[in-house]
Amino acid sequence: AQSVSQHNHHVILSEAASLELGCNYSYGGTVNLFWYVQYPGQHLQLLLKYFSGDPLVKGIKGFEAEFIKSKFSFNLRKPSVQWSDTAEYFCAVTPGDTDKLIFGTGTRLQVFP
Amino acid sequence: DAGVTQSPTHLIKTRGQQVTLRCSPISGHKSVSWYQQVLGQGPQFIFQYYEKEERGRGNFPDRFSARQFPNYSSELNVNALLLGDSALYLCASSRAKRVTDTQYFGPGTRLTVL
Repeated sequence: AQSVSQHNHHVILSEAASLELGCNYSYGGTVNLFWYVQYPGQHLQLLLKYFSGDPLVKGIKGFEAEFIKSKFSFNLRKPSVQWSDTAEYFCAVTPGDTDKLIFGTGTRLQVFP
Repeated sequence: DAGVTQSPTHLIKTRGQQVTLRCSPISGHKSVSWYQQVLGQGPQFIFQYYEKEERGRGNFPDRFSARQFPNYSSELNVNALLLGDSALYLCASSRAKRVTDTQYFGPGTRLTVL
């Protein structure tokens, strides 16, 4: 079945550690890719998105993601996390032949000072 | 500017009842989408409305229905509630009709079905 997979369900890091959250999708053809974040007590908000062009996308708060078409992946990275990055992160995909936003199950990130 | 607002915040219903959830989009946004988020899962797309017309529907039974009003606010109705309908219902608004346009999410309505 077509899906979006986030294999890391819960990640615990210390401040200044590097972060990489995995996202894989199973749709063929053109896709649009997104990372959304939900900070504690806040609404879900867009972190970054990829439609076309440079496969390395930069978002807010120092986050970036790389689209690797051959691996059907769109992993989220940050070189040095902060305590304020504690949140739940959702990868989402819009398959090119539909206009539906399909979310992964999310990764809960906890950053300790 | 006010963000997306949803009402009520919490709701408790019993099986078989009907529920109506409301969403007010950001001013100037003509698209409203509804999502269901079950605990431990990502949001699942239910409906999208643009300019009062349904543009998309997810894999949800006909018990789920929605509409958009001339002021672009929206209601989601769920009939014959089941225990499995317990979830956080999210509304998102955007300016354009494509869901690739940045979606702005509301705080959600937490529905508990007993």
